Amino acid sequence: DADVTQTPRNRITKTGKRIMLECSQTKGHDRMYWYRQDPGLGLRLIYYSFDVKDINKGEISDGYSVSRQAQAKFSLSLESAIPNQTALYFCATSDSLTGGEGYTFGSGTRLTVV
Amino acid sequence: GQNIDQPTEMTATEGAIVQINCTYQTSGFNGLFWYQQHAGEAPTFLSYNVLDGLEEKGRFSSFLSRSKGYSYLLLKELQMKDSASYLCAVSPNDYKLSFGAGTTVTVRA
Repeated sequence: DADVTQTPRNRITKTGKRIMLECSQTKGHDRMYWYRQDPGLGLRLIYYSFDVKDINKGEISDGYSVSRQAQAKFSLSLESAIPNQTALYFCATSDSLTGGEGYTFGSGTRLTVV
Repeated sequence: GQNIDQPTEMTATEGAIVQINCTYQTSGFNGLFWYQQHAGEAPTFLSYNVLDGLEEKGRFSSFLSRSKGYSYLLLKELQMKDSASYLCAVSPNDYKLSFGAGTTVTVRA
């Protein structure tokens, strides 16, 4: 099994619908992150969490919310999806970023909003 | 904010060498990472530099100059499977990474 699992892998949804992307990990890491990736823009941080009671906004949090249900689970919600939220979404986990390999990424969720 | 620049695309021939440059301006510096990402897949870790100098790992090497805000990733003896995007990422603190837009490398036979 993968260390970081994202579900679903692909999703097509309609404008205005609420959608949740889920992430679970077996790395035992405290830190979890949600990024979106768009062509030409790279990976941009949406939200991150350092433990169950800690939630922090990233650079592009508008239109998104998150829930850290447990140390191993971090979900991302789009309350009312819009077409410019069409992107590839990655969940990542990490230990300390000093040394080591930085992030461990999930396989990604390709979201299309029509 | 953080500013991380790398070329958009590079093309090279199988067996050749390619150097991908990355320049950065960040509010702090706690290390620089390079990741490889094949199309539609997750990024995977290649290298980490926190001190000036060259780190070599098989066919891949990464260099860092903190005073110049500059790094490069060197790919030697290119193989077709090296066709991918290469992401430069800086840790301005110990909390999160900021990424460049990525460099797509195409290896031709």
